[in-house]
Amino acid sequence: SSQLTQDPAVSVALGQTVRLTCQGDSLRMYSATWYQLKPGQAPVLVIYGQNNRPSGIPDRFSASSSGNTASLIISGAQAEDEADYYCNSRDTSAQYLIFGGGTKVTVL
Amino acid sequence: QLQLQESGPGLLKPSETLSLACSVSGGSISDYYWTWIRQAPGKGLEWIGYMSSDESGSYNPSLRSRITISIDSSKNQISLKLASVTAADSGKYFCASTPNTGSYYFYGMEVWGQGTAVSVSS
Repeated sequence: SSQLTQDPAVSVALGQTVRLTCQGDSLRMYSATWYQLKPGQAPVLVIYGQNNRPSGIPDRFSASSSGNTASLIISGAQAEDEADYYCNSRDTSAQYLIFGGGTKVTVL
Repeated sequence: QLQLQESGPGLLKPSETLSLACSVSGGSISDYYWTWIRQAPGKGLEWIGYMSSDESGSYNPSLRSRITISIDSSKNQISLKLASVTAADSGKYFCASTPNTGSYYFYGMEVWGQGTAVSVSS
C-alpha cells in the first residue's frame, strides 16, 4: 500500500505565506484533499478536487500539485489558521483513502 | 443544514465489539456517502471506510476483517461495528459526509460530526 508524507511542523509569521507539502506515489494519479483540524473541534475540509474551496473557506487557502507532491498554500496566514493540516488521497490501488501524518502549523 | 452526531459506549474491554452510531439530521441519507474516520490519542487521522445507501463502499484494508459499516435509512443513522478491539483502537471516532454525486473520491468529506471518544481498557 502507498503512503502520504507530510512535514511534522512548520511555522509562519503572521501575514506571510506558507506552503505545506504532501508526498506520495498516489499523488501522481490522484488529487489531494486537505483538512484543517483544531483541538477539540471537528475537522474542516479546506480544499478538494485539485484546487476547489468549499463555501466559507477563505481564498487565502489554495492548492497545487506537481509530480508526486501536492501542496496547500496559505497566503497571508492569520492567527486562526494555526492548526493541524492533513492531506488525503486515494491509495495507488484506487480502492480506498489514505491520510498523511499531518502538519502542525504555528503562526508567529 | 446537514448535521451529524456520533454516539457510542465510551469504554470497552479488549476483545469486545465496538458499536457506534452516527445520527443524521438536516439531510437525506441517500444524498451522501458516509465515512468513518478515527484519531488515536496524539496521532493522526485514519480513514476507516465508507458506505452509501446503495451499499457501495470500501474499507481500510488494515481493518477490513473487523469492521462493518451499515446504513439504516429508517433511523437516519450510519453505524460502525469494530470487532475484537484492543487498546490500539482507542481514540476519537468521527463520521463525515460527502455529496453523492457519483464520485466519492473527488469532493472530500465536507460535513463532520464532533466525534465520540472510545477507550479500550481491561
